[in-house]
Amino acid sequence: EDQVTQSPEALRLQEGESSSLNCSYTVSGLRGLFWYRQDPGKGPEFLFTLYSAGEEKEKERLKATLTKKESFLHITAPKPEDSATYLCAPDGTSYGKLTFGQGTILTVHP
Amino acid sequence: EAQVTQNPRYLITVTGKKLTVTCSQNMNHEYMSWYRQDPGLGLRQIYYSMNVEVTDKGDVPEGYKVSRKEKRNFPLILESPSPNQTSLYFCASSSPARNTEAFFGQGTRLTVV
Repeated sequence: EDQVTQSPEALRLQEGESSSLNCSYTVSGLRGLFWYRQDPGKGPEFLFTLYSAGEEKEKERLKATLTKKESFLHITAPKPEDSATYLCAPDGTSYGKLTFGQGTILTVHP
Repeated sequence: EAQVTQNPRYLITVTGKKLTVTCSQNMNHEYMSWYRQDPGLGLRQIYYSMNVEVTDKGDVPEGYKVSRKEKRNFPLILESPSPNQTSLYFCASSSPARNTEAFFGQGTRLTVV
């Protein structure tokens, strides 16, 4: 059974204080790993797909990396508008069945 | 504009009264899924469909039904809603053939009293 664990559950940062979010997974036949951002009461919004260990992708202040067991979402010099819940979801060989982590609630204070 | 549309956005109903939440996508995606999201439990998959007339159970299918008669539509049916089905529901679609990420609808907040 696919398992996904995200840590920390919640993270409070000051504006400009860089940090990282972790996504650990156990998935058979990983085809890719997705990162999403979710604002309260809204649907998850796609950020990145990573396909193989060693891959990195960047978008503004966010950079996602992937190893064989985990993925990191690095946030550099965050701003208050980066406050959201960040979700990861590895995509394995169970076609159509996507398992999400419980998410990290990020709060960035001005 | 590529989108997944759910209706209604908000619904308050009584125990036992059958309801349907509709979901429609305009991207010709093969895969569609329903999730529920509850505090502390995250997003959990209810049912998914790999194509027309092909559906399968997710992690929490009890109390729900789905159908996929057309590629663009994937309604979620609660035959006899109960208070423990009060939740925020999301529909999503994707295309494995094109290796796309899942696109999510805007959500349906359901309250069963």
